[in-house]
Amino acid sequence: QQQVKQSPQSLIVQKGGISIINCAYENTAFDYFPWYQQFPGKGPALLIAIRPDVSEKKEGRFTISFNKSAKQFSLHIMDSQPGDSATYFCAASRDGGSQGNLIFGKGTKLSVKP
Amino acid sequence: ETGVTQSPTHLIKTRGQQVTLRCSSQSGHNTVSWYQQALGQGPQFIFQYYREEENGRGNFPPRFSGLQFPNYSSELNVNALELDDSALYLCASRLGASVGGELFFGEGSRLTVL
Repeated sequence: QQQVKQSPQSLIVQKGGISIINCAYENTAFDYFPWYQQFPGKGPALLIAIRPDVSEKKEGRFTISFNKSAKQFSLHIMDSQPGDSATYFCAASRDGGSQGNLIFGKGTKLSVKP
Repeated sequence: ETGVTQSPTHLIKTRGQQVTLRCSSQSGHNTVSWYQQALGQGPQFIFQYYREEENGRGNFPPRFSGLQFPNYSSELNVNALELDDSALYLCASRLGASVGGELFFGEGSRLTVL
């Protein structure tokens, strides 16, 4: 049973455009929702994270929107750049992630065309 | 660079063999987690160690075991290797077991089981 569903599987965006990746979760006990970026040959790196008491969080060009009632959250990348081309994973966990048990989505491969 | 180093970077084993993967955490980080990432999938949580004790485990059989040493370095051991164990194994460290502490991932060990 997949607890975090991520879409789309792949995404092609023109430079300067907006990239939007969506995730849905099932377990209402989840209380920590991070997004990770992974380049080929590298480990995932934390981009931005949100807790359910906040509906939106912005850091630079990256914004998380969170809808608790719909059990959905999304990543928006504004002014997308070729250097943003990578695989993005949403994740969720209970207990604020303190048990280390992050449940990851299957990933979205983003390609930003120049 | 995250300061988390893993070895070996690549290895090939045959079915039924045993493997040990090693991880050196970022300086001062006393919590380490291990994840399995199959090709084209998101990482899956194996277990977490905090101050040399396992304090969280995912849905992996007992043939996956680990150790954390007093210097907070860590090992992942897998016995009786199966073909499906072929994957990228990621180690991640963080400071303490605090809520929402950022996980810093290494670049992984790529295991191929023939």
